[in-house]
Amino acid sequence: DAGITQSPRHKVTETGTPVTLRCHQTENHRYMYWYRQDPGHGLRLIHYSYGVKDTDKGEVSDGYSVSRSKTEDFLLTLESATSSQTSVYFCAIAGTGGDGELFFGEGSRLTVL
Amino acid sequence: KQEVTQIPAALSVPEGENLVLNCSFTDSAIYNLQWFRQDPGKGLTSLLLIQSSQREQTSGRLNASLDKSSGRSTLYIAASQPGDSATYLCAVNPGGGADGLTFGKGTHLIIQP
Repeated sequence: DAGITQSPRHKVTETGTPVTLRCHQTENHRYMYWYRQDPGHGLRLIHYSYGVKDTDKGEVSDGYSVSRSKTEDFLLTLESATSSQTSVYFCAIAGTGGDGELFFGEGSRLTVL
Repeated sequence: KQEVTQIPAALSVPEGENLVLNCSFTDSAIYNLQWFRQDPGKGLTSLLLIQSSQREQTSGRLNASLDKSSGRSTLYIAASQPGDSATYLCAVNPGGGADGLTFGKGTHLIIQP
């Protein structure tokens, strides 16, 4: 157990509303990631963080922003949700072993109506 | 751009059989390769991590091999059990830093009792 908690686990919202997903980790990992998983596309990287206030874009970052004001929390924000952002969102951390192994949270299922 | 392909997309076999799942990637300059298991509605569970300098890794009935020069990895499952039914995902780490993983779309495995 890598000590990753995602919240909320399920959310239904309407088009145009802002949404924030939270990833919380308890083991002081430096690297954190947000992925989305969609049928036919697999998992794709949205944004990642390599430290407090240090973030960068992934493959599918349009329409998303992130923030990391403290080591344990990595927030993913959809400023104005669209139906194309209906997905399952996974947070991941890179373990402290330095070998590049990633561990994933349980996911947050978001439905945008 | 790195692309990861998993074959077959789905596989159904009787209990007790040994089986092989395949993963190929287009850019051989990888830092490591990771195999995951995903149960329906759940997060990803790390099964095996192979560093670029390694040829194989074993954990219980699972054995993963890596041939970096040919861009291939296999996951061998011995004496399959119904509890092995899940989707198996292969992912490559391009640089070992904060870049995250590039995933294949997975092999959906069903073990018939």
